[in-house]
Formats: sequence, structure tokens, C-alpha cells
Amino acid sequence: GAGVSQSPRYKVAKRGQDVALRCDPISGHVSLFWYQQALGQGPEFLTYFQNEAQLDKSGLPSDRFFAERPEGSVSTLKIQRTQQEDSAVYLCASSPKDTVSNQPQHFGDGTRLSIL
Amino acid sequence: DAKTTQPNSMESNEEEPVHLPCNHSTISGTDYIHWYRQLPSQGPEYVIHGLTSNVNNRMASLAIAEDRKSSTLILHRATLRDAAVYYCILRDGGRPTGGGNKLTFGTGTQLKVEL
Repeated sequence: GAGVSQSPRYKVAKRGQDVALRCDPISGHVSLFWYQQALGQGPEFLTYFQNEAQLDKSGLPSDRFFAERPEGSVSTLKIQRTQQEDSAVYLCASSPKDTVSNQPQHFGDGTRLSIL
Repeated sequence: DAKTTQPNSMESNEEEPVHLPCNHSTISGTDYIHWYRQLPSQGPEYVIHGLTSNVNNRMASLAIAEDRKSSTLILHRATLRDAAVYYCILRDGGRPTGGGNKLTFGTGTQLKVEL
């Protein structure tokens, strides 16, 4: 079946521009996560949705980062006034249920964002 | 969150078994041990998880020490496609709902597989 889909696969933007990254989770998955992965590092948590509710945004690095999931399926991560330090791979993951700690997360292949 | 410690890199020959160690001396009684791997240019992929008993699935085996302070991911016959970064992660199974049980990755172990 279809996995987690992210678009675009690659994004190049000039410093100061706004960008929007899309995530299509596996159909019916309740939980959705965003992670940021810098080069040579493991992914780091950004934010978590349970259906349309954003229950944890403790990992968002600044108020320039904003995420939404208005209908409880597709999610968008928006970065305003991009900076060079925002260059990273942004990963989306989904899982079937909420807060069940033995539920695996299913990841997309990410969006590689480069800020010039 | 309890922390895990893994070697930065390991090497293996194709078709030989691989034992990837993970130390988690501060693990709590409700922490599950999860393993994910990340192939080049791909997102992480779930491999296996366990709580106390050893676990087997089609991808790998997970051996958990009796005191739960360490674990070992076992790939029975490594192939070139197993070359990846392997992450050992603890997930708290005892927290109330609302936390989402995010994954806390370290830097993992880079596994190199040679012919």
C-alpha cells in the first residue's frame, strides 16, 4: 500500500523566502510527526499532531516555524523568512494510533531544504 | 528521557551475522527498546522493538540483557542492502496520553557491509 508521501523532494530557496513542505500520511493514521535532520545527525523532533490537534510543538526551533493539519490528514510545515541554518532534511512520520509506545512510526523520504 | 549509547560505526562482510550493541543503563521499567535504520537518502525504517523478552521478526532479532541495561540487534546474514545507520531508541510506555511518544534519535551506528 501507499506509504508516507512528502513533497517536494527537494527545495531550494533564497534566504528570507517562505517555504511550505507537504506531508501525506498513510490513510487513517491518527498520529503525525515532523522531524528535522541536519547533515550527519539523527532526526530531531519538531511537532506532533493527533488528528487535527497539534498536541506538542516543543521542538519547533522558532516562531518562524508553523505546522498545521486542518482536516486531520495532510499536514503542511511552513517556514517563514528562511535562514541558512534551516537547511536540513524535513521528515514526516505517521502511526495508526495515539500514544501507544509500541506502535512503529512510518516515515516518508523527506524534503531536502537548501537555503542559499 | 533515558539515553542510549552506540558505537559510531561497524563493519561486516556480506552473508555474515552482525551484532549491533546498544547500552541503556538508565532505562526505566516502562521503556520499550526500539530499533530503526536509515538507508542513504531515505527516511528511517522501523526494524524491531521489545520490552523484556528477546524478539524475532523477518528483518532481525533483538536480544535484551536480563537487567535490560543493554541490548543487541542481530542481523543474521548481512547483505549490501543492510548498509545503513542503525538507531537504538527508548520509548516510554508509562506516560499518560497526549505526549505522542516522539522518537528521540541519537547519532546511531553506521554499518558498512563489504563483499
